Amino acid sequence: ETGVTQSPTHLIKTRGQQVTLRCSSQSGHNTVSWYQQALGQGPQFIFQYYREEENGRGNFPPRFSGLQFPNYSSELNVNALELDDSALYLCASSDQGTVNEKLFFGSGTQLSVL
Amino acid sequence: SQQGEEDPQALSIQEGENATMNCSYKTSINNLQWYRQNSGRGLVHLILIRSNEREKHSGRLRVTLDTSKKSSSLLITASRAADTASYFCATMSNSGNTPLVFGKGTRLSVIA
Repeated sequence: ETGVTQSPTHLIKTRGQQVTLRCSSQSGHNTVSWYQQALGQGPQFIFQYYREEENGRGNFPPRFSGLQFPNYSSELNVNALELDDSALYLCASSDQGTVNEKLFFGSGTQLSVL
Repeated sequence: SQQGEEDPQALSIQEGENATMNCSYKTSINNLQWYRQNSGRGLVHLILIRSNEREKHSGRLRVTLDTSKKSSSLLITASRAADTASYFCATMSNSGNTPLVFGKGTRLSVIA
């Protein structure tokens, strides 16, 4: 069990809607990364936040956006949902000093877009 | 894009046997990590091996790295039913501020 918590655990939305996923980092961690994992695939990097600023982004369109708050918790927002956005969304926290060596993952939010 | 490719995609063995999973990657790396994922859950970090290391052990896990072949292997000895999970390799590039890149994983089933 890591100290990373995500909410909600499951979510069903319809195409075109907007969704917000939330993540609380493990205590002492100042960096959060978000990953999308489609069924049967490995996690794909969406973006990373450090001290409330985005400091890395994967190949995802601008309708995927995020926030990190002063307490290092984070949100992932997805606008104009598409069917292909159906996936497990994983949040991972780390300390910036060890972000390249070990990520601590939450259990994920399973998003279904109908 | 996914840098690592695990092989095999799926593996089924009897309890007590050893399980070997392989990972190939494309670019130069700083380190390579292995993670485990139980069905539909988050990933758990298992072990890290740096680019200047060739072998590393942790409990029943043994990881090797061959940078000349851009490949790594994960060996789980004396497997248990509780080892049933998906296993992913993840590479950290040595070129600048890049994220951890995961492969597609190997699904391991250990039959009691």
